[in-house]
This record gives sequence, C-alpha cells and structure tokens, in this order.
Amino acid sequence: RKEVEQDPGPFNVPEGATVAFNCTYSNSASQSFFWYRQDCRKEPKLLMSVYSSGNEDGRFTAQLNRASQYISLLIRDSKLSDSATYLCVVNNGNNRLAFGKGNQVVVIP
Amino acid sequence: NAGVTQTPKFQVLKTGQSMTLQCAQDMNHEYMSWYRQDPGMGLRLIHYSVGAGITDQGEVPNGYNVSRSTTEDFPLRLELAAPSQTSVYFCASSSGGPYGYTFGSGTRLTVV
Repeated sequence: RKEVEQDPGPFNVPEGATVAFNCTYSNSASQSFFWYRQDCRKEPKLLMSVYSSGNEDGRFTAQLNRASQYISLLIRDSKLSDSATYLCVVNNGNNRLAFGKGNQVVVIP
Repeated sequence: NAGVTQTPKFQVLKTGQSMTLQCAQDMNHEYMSWYRQDPGMGLRLIHYSVGAGITDQGEVPNGYNVSRSTTEDFPLRLELAAPSQTSVYFCASSSGGPYGYTFGSGTRLTVV
C-alpha cells in the first residue's frame, strides 16, 4: 500500500464552485500533515499545514481525520488562478515527507 | 533571503558521465532533502539530512550520493549517469515541525 494515496483527477471545476478532495495515508504514526500546491513545471509550494482541529485559510479549509487516516482539502469560490495540482504530504517522522501524486484541479470559466 | 537555491536549472548528460547538483539554503534550516519527480510517480525521496554531518537514504537512493558538510549546502552527486535518472530534481529545506519544507526551483536533468 502506498504511503499517501490521492485520486489524480483531473477535477474540472466551474469558476465560483466548491471543490473538495481527500487523501489517505498508511502510517498511523504520521506526525504532521500538509497540503502543497504545484503549478506546471514549478516547484511545490506550501499551501497550508493541517491540524487535528481543522483549519481554514481564506477560501481553503483543511481537515484531518486520524481515526480514518485521511486528510481533506476544500476550496470555496474557485478562481481561475486556483488551477494547479494539490499535493497531500505526510511527515512520517524525522521530517521525512511522503507525497501523494496530487489532485489536478482545472477551474473552468 | 534567497531561500533554497539550486544549480544548474537545466543539464544534459551523456550516459556514464558524472555531475553534482548543487543546493544551498540561507534560512539556517536543519533538515534538507532531495526529491525526484517523474510523470505519474509524484515526488520520491532520494536522500535526506537532519543536520550537518548526518545523512540517510530515502526511497530511491541508488545511483546517488550526498554529503552535508555545512548547514547551508546539500549537494547531490550522480557518479555514472543513466537514462533512468532523467527527471526533475528538487532540493528542499525545513526547520521542522509544522512549517513544512521550502523547495528550490528544480533542476531538469536529461541523460542521453
């Protein structure tokens, strides 16, 4: 079983709509969790850390469910500039990160 | 602050050649890592370091060597390049915990 699994999509989202996706992780001892954004041919950039209580940053909301070992990301009021690949990332200890393959989001005008 | 600086940005090697990908960070981060990214594979950890003088293997270490003589620098060495090493290579650094990693802009390597 892969350490981090994501449905690659693509997720075609009308502008202004809400999109949500999950990822699952296999290591129950994982310590911290992140969502990264990666634009085509660019480096990944940290979007937000994910906390057990859930957290929100503007139009983005992240949730963590440790019991079921999944992480979610919700994007409200999608903008054209949100088109990117969203990477689910898990810290498995000693700051060794495991990456999912990413959810590709395409926001359509 | 420059963040994480990778050089070169592009490189073409012939099979069997050697080269070093450079990575430097100016944020005094303890943790540094090298990843490769291939289509359909996501990012895979090659080697990582938890501090100067300490390195360890990641998921795909074969064919690569690293050293960490200073906090700032974490070069990746390819001794005998093979076409299977054609990839985009990212270096990243972190202070640990909830702060995640900061990535360099990548090196696009083609081995012919």
